[in-house]
Amino acid sequence: NAGVTQTPKFRVLKTGQSMTLLCAQDMNHEYMYWYRQDPGMGLRLIHYSVGEGTTAKGEVPDGYNVSRLKKQNFLLGLESAAPSQTSVYFCASSGGTVVRLGETQYFGPGTRLLVL
Amino acid sequence: AQSVSQHNHHVILSEAASLELGCNYSYGGTVNLFWYVQYPGQHLQLLLKYFSGDPLVKGIKGFEAEFIKSKFSFNLRKPSVQWSDTAEYFCAVISRGNNRLAFGKGNQVVVIP
Repeated sequence: NAGVTQTPKFRVLKTGQSMTLLCAQDMNHEYMYWYRQDPGMGLRLIHYSVGEGTTAKGEVPDGYNVSRLKKQNFLLGLESAAPSQTSVYFCASSGGTVVRLGETQYFGPGTRLLVL
Repeated sequence: AQSVSQHNHHVILSEAASLELGCNYSYGGTVNLFWYVQYPGQHLQLLLKYFSGDPLVKGIKGFEAEFIKSKFSFNLRKPSVQWSDTAEYFCAVISRGNNRLAFGKGNQVVVIP
């Protein structure tokens, strides 16, 4: 049981390049999330998904797209990277539903992205 | 929108000192509250959580937190810190009707041996 895994661990991009970050979970969780972590800003939610085939915007969705084609995977895409997207990206998952409020979120190890 | 405030972003203290980190949230409805910890170079891990019942919650590694509804607070405490408690601590809140966690900006805690 690996929990939440993320690939890649580290990436350097040039401005305008595109890339996809992959998140996978083996806990059969319904909910998955993408956050970015910046110094002094805490974690900010980019997009999230409440189930396979669904996605929704979080606090800071601009410049990112996501897809949840399979329940266990949640992809985060950057179509045209900008230096402002230099950050550490964390994926998380939880088994919670609106009814079971507040299920614990389990976090992946993070992807460190540098955009030059 | 719900918001979470953490004060004193940087905290430096000596081993065996007591630690208290404040957390206040803005939402007035039913909430669940969490403290997460991020050790250097690692991902976030759950320290403790409050869903209902006893407002004094005990977590791992000797941490505890008290939910005071009237003050919209969920402060984290540890009576005697160790060097290994050096980490960043995040308070998070989820409220009914909004199934997304809102995080505070974190407290960077450095414990000097």
